[in-house]
Amino acid sequence: AQSVTQPDIHITVSEGASLELRCNYSYGATPYLFWYVQSPGQGLQLLLKYFSGDTLVQGIKGFEAEFKRSQSSFNLRKPSVHWSDAAEYFCAVGPSIYNNAGNMLTFGGGTRLMVKP
Amino acid sequence: GAGVSQSPSNKVTEKGKDVELRCDPISGHTALYWYRQSLGQGLEFLIYFQGNSAPDKSGLPSDRFSAERTGGSVSTLTIQRTQQEDSAVYLCASSLGQNQNIQYFGAGTRLSVL
Repeated sequence: AQSVTQPDIHITVSEGASLELRCNYSYGATPYLFWYVQSPGQGLQLLLKYFSGDTLVQGIKGFEAEFKRSQSSFNLRKPSVHWSDAAEYFCAVGPSIYNNAGNMLTFGGGTRLMVKP
Repeated sequence: GAGVSQSPSNKVTEKGKDVELRCDPISGHTALYWYRQSLGQGLEFLIYFQGNSAPDKSGLPSDRFSAERTGGSVSTLTIQRTQQEDSAVYLCASSLGQNQNIQYFGAGTRLSVL
């Protein structure tokens, strides 16, 4: 079965500092990978996705993520964090034609980001 | 509508009562998903509809939970005889279809069972 691990439950960074949120997955084939962000009281908004091709993907709000097959990782990065980035971030593995595990997204436990002024 | 719409946004109910949660997906999206977000359990898949195919109910936690999708559009998630452990945020998502397609989420329904 597929699984996603986000090792950091909480992260605090200063505004303007760089950010890296870790995501590791367990998967039997080529994964489809996603990062979503959730602000308080809101649904999930897609930041970026990886399906195939270039392993460094760009997303909205200045975020990027790098797929590293050898490390089973898909870490999210941002060079300079803004106070408005404070939210909860979820990494997810999604349905694939190579995937026999179903049609749902499997989410990591989330990382709550706090930004210090 | 521009996005996935869920109603109500908040629901407070008494233990043992039935509740219905509604999801209106993005127009033209054939796939619809329900997830549950609760403390300690994170985000869990509940059920998936794709077109006219039989739904994938593999994530429903008990037979008190059911869902239907009428006319390939609006979906209703029903929880019968609610329990306190059903308290959670119920999220609906839709996509153009399965495989590679992005799931777009609604804002969710926060259910509180007293």
